[in-house]
Amino acid sequence: EAQVTQNPRYLITVTGKKLTVTCSQNMNHEYMSWYRQDPGLGLRQIYYSMNVEVTDKGDVPEGYKVSRKEKRNFPLILESPSPNQTSLYFCASSEDLTDGYEQYFGPGTRLTVT
Amino acid sequence: AQSVTQPDIHITVSEGASLELRCNYSYGATPYLFWYVQSPGQGLQLLLKYFSGDTLVQGIKGFEAEFKRSQSSFNLRKPSVHWSDAAEYFCAVYSWGKLQFGAGTQVVVTP
Repeated sequence: EAQVTQNPRYLITVTGKKLTVTCSQNMNHEYMSWYRQDPGLGLRQIYYSMNVEVTDKGDVPEGYKVSRKEKRNFPLILESPSPNQTSLYFCASSEDLTDGYEQYFGPGTRLTVT
Repeated sequence: AQSVTQPDIHITVSEGASLELRCNYSYGATPYLFWYVQSPGQGLQLLLKYFSGDTLVQGIKGFEAEFKRSQSSFNLRKPSVHWSDAAEYFCAVYSWGKLQFGAGTQVVVTP
């Protein structure tokens, strides 16, 4: 089954404790992206990757890191989480967004930073 | 910079009635436009998209949207809503590797 998986689905952590949210897709997609969703703000892009070893900042990259060492995986790293990073996070992938291909979204990771 | 505005934060509609969700965008060229739906506790699912051709686009679940360049709009419509259409709907515009989302419209369907 074609899908985007994220782990963990729920995470409660404390300020400053490094964490990684994994994202994996099995569709051989070139493009992958991370978003955060906050009430009243919709989804805002954190980082995106056009291909392996190619990443770029989205609209809200501060406090986040990503890497794209292999095509299928695109982990999101919070080196020192803060309470304002409490949010719902979505990973997405697409064959080629430049041609208007559909983005497939993962189920989301709800992160709480206390 | 591009932007997407969904003027209605919340819409309540009766089952069987028609639904129209508004989306306005700000973008210099012809944009790639999308509508996504998010059911409670779920990820986002693509309803339809537009990037060229016929300005009336048909999507899944009986939805359609019309691109109007003169009004910078891409409104989503459904002639007769079902209770299962209760969800949050997001309009989005693509440009230069980024997908910019509107703030969303929450749709409540009453019996």
